[in-house]
Amino acid sequence: AQKVTQAQTEISVVEKEDVTLDCVYETRDTTYYLFWYKQPPSGELVFLIRRNSFDEQNEISGRYSWNFQKSTSSFNFTITASQVVDSAVYFCALWHGSSNTGKLIFGQGTTLQVKP
Amino acid sequence: EPEVTQTPSHQVTQMGQEVILRCVPISNHLYFYWYRQILGQKVEFLVSFYNNEISEKSEIFDDQFSVERPDGSNFTLKIRSTKLEDSAMYFCASISGTSGQFFGPGTRLTVL
Repeated sequence: AQKVTQAQTEISVVEKEDVTLDCVYETRDTTYYLFWYKQPPSGELVFLIRRNSFDEQNEISGRYSWNFQKSTSSFNFTITASQVVDSAVYFCALWHGSSNTGKLIFGQGTTLQVKP
Repeated sequence: EPEVTQTPSHQVTQMGQEVILRCVPISNHLYFYWYRQILGQKVEFLVSFYNNEISEKSEIFDDQFSVERPDGSNFTLKIRSTKLEDSAMYFCASISGTSGQFFGPGTRLTVL
């Protein structure tokens, strides 16, 4: 069965601290895609990153970085030098299905609060 | 940059009433989706749609729900007789390939 687990329900940090959001997934698919989305208080889902199962290189985009470890089925997300604007709910998601058909399976989300 | 749009942004209805949520997917996308997020919970898949028919639907998507692409641009979700538990944020999404699902801003449905 396909499943995404985000064990951290809420995290609170002080501005400029680094924070890592954990994501563990389960799938029987040999090819799959993993995603992170940000949901700010306004409610929309903002796409952050997509990673396919064949690409285990870590990725960095500004203050954001992602660590994909296939051996432990984890796809963790780190925000460096957090800012108040990073406060949001972050969802990890697994694409289940073929390249164009299928669906996203979301984790429960982690609420990040960054205090000034 | 092209985006998915949804209307209305907020819909308030009485229990038992029919509602139609509207979405305009990105124009060259072929696969369309509805997801639901009950307040404070995770985002859940409802239904996928391709070539004018449902590709897959979840257990949530029962006979009270239907989807339609009435013309070349709109994609609608109809709830025939709303229940209190249908109160949620409904997201429309479209994809082209595996570049990632592009979500609309959502419609917040409140059933009183």
